[in-house]
Amino acid sequence: AQSVTQLGSHVSVSEGALVLLRCNYSSSVPPYLFWYVQYPNQGLQLLLKYTTGATLVKGINGFEAEFKKSETSFHLTKPSAHMSDAAEYFCAVSGISNFGNEKLTFGTGTRLTIIP
Amino acid sequence: NAGVTQTPKFQVLKTGQSMTLQCAQDMNHEYMSWYRQDPGMGLRLIHYSVGAGITDQGEVPNGYNVSRSTTEDFPLRLLSAAPSQTSVYFCASSYRMTGRSSTDTQYFGPGTRLTVL
Repeated sequence: AQSVTQLGSHVSVSEGALVLLRCNYSSSVPPYLFWYVQYPNQGLQLLLKYTTGATLVKGINGFEAEFKKSETSFHLTKPSAHMSDAAEYFCAVSGISNFGNEKLTFGTGTRLTIIP
Repeated sequence: NAGVTQTPKFQVLKTGQSMTLQCAQDMNHEYMSWYRQDPGMGLRLIHYSVGAGITDQGEVPNGYNVSRSTTEDFPLRLLSAAPSQTSVYFCASSYRMTGRSSTDTQYFGPGTRLTVL
């Protein structure tokens, strides 16, 4: 079984400041990890994903995340926040379904607000 | 290439009514799934399908029914709507992911906002 915990349902940062959104996971198998972004009234869009290999993963819009196995974490960062980053962000971990394929489990989400 | 489409965008039902939420994709994806999104609870998997004729339950399947007769379509049926089913519903699809040698991106539709009175 797998689960995801996102610390902080709401995060506010000033424009130009560092963005840090926290995600911790548990998984009974080596995890595949994802960050999705949801803009208002839209579906989810993949920001980045970790499967195997390099633990620092770069995604779209300047975001990156680092897989830390010892800390069971996959925190999302961006060096300088833009107003356009205001959205809800979801961390997800994959597990194995009854058919042997991947199945995603999502965290509860973090709403990011950017202060001008 | 329209991606994942969902209809309707909005729907209001009375308790006990039935309806079908439509989902279609034109990317020849084998894997399709339905999620519901509720405040403070993230996205929860309702049902999923790994191909035509093959479906399975997710973590919150009660009150919902699915079937998959074609690769393109994966409708979600509410048999007798209840206020607890008021939510935003998202359909998603991806190439079939077999084993752990590869993974794939799930593409999400724009959602259906359902209110049950």
